[in-house]
Amino acid sequence: QQPVQSPQAVILREGEDAVINCSSSKALYSVHWYRQKHGEAPVFLMILLKGGEQKGHDKISASFNEKKQQSSLYLTASQLSYSGTYFCGTEAGGTSYGKLTFGQGTILTVHP
Amino acid sequence: NAGVTQTPKFRVLKTGQSMTLLCAQDMNHEYMYWYRQDPGMGLRLIHYSVGEGTTAKGEVPDGYNVSRLKKQNFLLGLESAAPSQTSVYFCASSRERETSYNEQFFGPGTRLTVL
Repeated sequence: QQPVQSPQAVILREGEDAVINCSSSKALYSVHWYRQKHGEAPVFLMILLKGGEQKGHDKISASFNEKKQQSSLYLTASQLSYSGTYFCGTEAGGTSYGKLTFGQGTILTVHP
Repeated sequence: NAGVTQTPKFRVLKTGQSMTLLCAQDMNHEYMYWYRQDPGMGLRLIHYSVGEGTTAKGEVPDGYNVSRLKKQNFLLGLESAAPSQTSVYFCASSRERETSYNEQFFGPGTRLTVL
């Protein structure tokens, strides 16, 4: 089943913060986050493994609550370059062979 | 390194025609994937491969076939195209999950229209 992302869309001004959530009904091994700009391929942002490890990448960080099968992506002091569609991809445990099930995406728009 | 490349970038087919999409990666990745992306649907897995000579079905395999005769190439075939297969197709590759972080690297996509 597809993980559910919320919100579906976010509009920000430069410098504002945003949180994007990803929720799954399955037990997860890992959660991936990708960003896709219009007309381009998705680009990897970060991966979180079960264990609640929080990772960071510049001013973008994420957390993973394996008990709740939820992950959140935090974007702080947003920049114009952050605009795009953000996808979470969830990986189940067992012999998943790295297969990801992607959420429907969250459209983030940052205005000057 | 070119990363993941896809051929062709655009294609228009008539209903019932067949075609093959080619994906190539130069990162020596074991795993390769084919996705389709439709508006508002995110990315859906069509087929995947965990190594040369292996293939397996994903979420939406009907109407597609794949082959992985060489480790670096993963082909997606449409035997008899239908308008419902109009979509953007992305290929991706990754390392094995057991050896390291297995983030997926995506190709630039193929925009397919079936009339």
